[in-house]
Amino acid sequence: DMQMTQSPSSLSASVGDRVTISCRASQDIKNYLAWYQQRPGKVPKLLIYGATTLQSGVPSRFSGRGSGTDFTLTISGLQPEDVATYYCQKYNNAPWTFGQGTKVEIK
Amino acid sequence: QVQLVQSGAEVKKPGASVKVSCKASGYTFTDHYLHWVRQAPGQGLEWMGIINPNGGKTTYAQKFQGRVTMTRDTSTSTAYLELSSLISDDTAVYYCAREPHPVTSFVRAGFDPWGQGTLVTVSS
Repeated sequence: DMQMTQSPSSLSASVGDRVTISCRASQDIKNYLAWYQQRPGKVPKLLIYGATTLQSGVPSRFSGRGSGTDFTLTISGLQPEDVATYYCQKYNNAPWTFGQGTKVEIK
Repeated sequence: QVQLVQSGAEVKKPGASVKVSCKASGYTFTDHYLHWVRQAPGQGLEWMGIINPNGGKTTYAQKFQGRVTMTRDTSTSTAYLELSSLISDDTAVYYCAREPHPVTSFVRAGFDPWGQGTLVTVSS
C-alpha cells in the first residue's frame, strides 16, 4: 500500500511564528491531498483539499502547497487555538491513507 | 445543517462483534459517499472503508477484509459499521465521515463533516 509520511512528528513554536508541516506520498497522487486539524479531544476538521484549496470557514493563515508527491501545510502566524495534531490524507483512490500526524504545541 | 450522529459507546469482550450506527441529516443521504475511520487511544487516524449509500457498494481496507461489514438503511438515512472477531487492539474511537461533494459530481475533496465518534472498548 501507498505510504503518507509526515514530518516532523511534533513541533513547538511561539505565537505568531510561521509553521510548516511536510507530507510526502510514496507515489504520485497529483493534487488529491487533504489536510485535517484535530484539536485535543475533538473530531478531525477538514482544513484544505485539492492540496491548496481552503475549506469554507478556515482562517486564511492556513495554506497548502504541492502536487505529485511532496506537499506542505503552512500556518502563517501561529495562534493558541492552533494547538492540535495535523494529518494529511490522500484521496485519489483506495485506500484513503492518512499520514501519522504532526503535533503542534505552543512554546 | 449537515449532521452525522453516531450511536453510543460500547464495551465488548474479545471475540464478539460490534455494530456502530451513523445517522445522517440535513442532506440527501444517497447523494454522498460515507467513510469509516478509527483512532486508537493516543494514535493516528486509520481509514477502514467506504460505502456508496446509493446502491450500497463498499470498498474495505485490506487490513479489515473478512472482519468488517458496512451497510446502510436508506429509509432511515443511517449507515452501519459492523466489526467482528474483536481483539483488544480494536479498542478505538470509530468515526463516520461524509465526502462533501455529491457522488454524481465526480469531485473528491476529503471528508466533511465527521460524526462525533463512538468509543468501542474491547476488554475481557
